[in-house]
Amino acid sequence: EAGVTQFPSHSVIEKGQTVTLRCDPISGHDNLYWYRRVMGKEIKFLLHFVKESKQDESGMPNNRFLAERTGGTYSTLKVQPAELEDSGVYFCASSHIAGGGADTQYFGPGTRLTVL
Amino acid sequence: AQKVTQAQTEISVVEKEDVTLDCVYETRDTTYYLFWYKQPPSGELVFLIRRNSFDEQNEISGRYSWNFQKSTSSFNFTITASQVVDSAVYFCALNDYNTDKLIFGTGTRLQVFP
Repeated sequence: EAGVTQFPSHSVIEKGQTVTLRCDPISGHDNLYWYRRVMGKEIKFLLHFVKESKQDESGMPNNRFLAERTGGTYSTLKVQPAELEDSGVYFCASSHIAGGGADTQYFGPGTRLTVL
Repeated sequence: AQKVTQAQTEISVVEKEDVTLDCVYETRDTTYYLFWYKQPPSGELVFLIRRNSFDEQNEISGRYSWNFQKSTSSFNFTITASQVVDSAVYFCALNDYNTDKLIFGTGTRLQVFP
């Protein structure tokens, strides 16, 4: 069974440009999560989809970030316009069951975003 | 507020040494889950263990063992007879029972030298 995949693995853009990150969850997993790790700090939650609906987007830093999950399969995270502080590693995770840690979240390899 | 603290930023050991990675957590929930993930140099986060708050039995998996102590709010991870392949960043995480998000510590970088 394929794990969580993310594309691209690396992205280098200039401040003010737009970048779109993609995540393909494990097949059959209704729950999809985005997290981010800024250099040297902890991994922080951004948002949680259940199928195509946003269950929790409390971690989204501002309205320059837009996440979508059309059809409840893959998800995209768009940053527009990108700022220097958006640099970091963006992780996607998926799980079969949601609710209080009842299931394990399996992570992808991450996308390293560098904003110059 | 919920919080996970990994006080050890970096640990260096020589192969075959035992090493313990500390994790201390804070939560007001009575039901919660704790996790350890490994991030090798390749970058992905690899799931190691999930433990619920009602199960305080220690867990052993090969060279890995975990010591969960509710009395001290700790969930420590020990690698016995460390190997170079154990070199990675290790993250401890706590699940927020109400929202399902994971709250991570800052990670401990383990370097195992031959």
